[in-house]
Amino acid sequence: QVQLVESGGGVVQPGRSLRLSCAASGFTFTRFAMHWVRQAPGKGLEWVAVISYDGSHVYYPDSVTGRFTISRDNSKNTLYLQMDSLRPEDTAVYYCARDGGQVAADAFDVWGPGTPVTVSS
Amino acid sequence: EIVLTQSPATLSLSPGERATLSCRASQSVSRSLAWYQQRRGQTPRLLIYDASKRATGIPPRFSGSGSGTDFTLTISSLEPEDFAVYYCQPRNSWRGTFGQGTKVEI
Repeated sequence: QVQLVESGGGVVQPGRSLRLSCAASGFTFTRFAMHWVRQAPGKGLEWVAVISYDGSHVYYPDSVTGRFTISRDNSKNTLYLQMDSLRPEDTAVYYCARDGGQVAADAFDVWGPGTPVTVSS
Repeated sequence: EIVLTQSPATLSLSPGERATLSCRASQSVSRSLAWYQQRRGQTPRLLIYDASKRATGIPPRFSGSGSGTDFTLTISSLEPEDFAVYYCQPRNSWRGTFGQGTKVEI
């Protein structure tokens, strides 16, 4: 079945780096844009990054621009999020999500279960 | 950047009652708006896309309406499993900003 599974979360010190992965299965990964979304403890959903189906276009909100990098390996059906210069406010559960659109943006129709990231000394 | 305002922040209702949630965008998104449900401790799930289309497996008690800047999610008769947080999200661009959420509580 259609599935996304994140991995790579954990506890990291401020200023350090972490790379998250999201393994996709059950659908043609190369046809869909993909997103990362995070949720800090007790807070709402915050969109973190998007990458086009072929990796040629990426976008970020101001809160992570210059620190986070989204990428994908279509040969491995895997999405990545490289997080550098981590801050305590980056502590959250990180979800990967599929964009249902192929030519244009659409709703996030498939979500992974999330991986927790804690930034603390 | 589009700013979304969801209201109310919290909606206190009983099972069987009707819930009406509002989402207002700072500029027109046409009908490119999605709604998500997140139950406590669970992953978000898509309820409504294109303002009024139910996602696969979503029961008909959930309906969406609106266009431009004003949108509504209606739950016609609340079931116990509907007590959750609901988020709206414009989908007229690749950026994925969410509203701050409306909590529907008993």
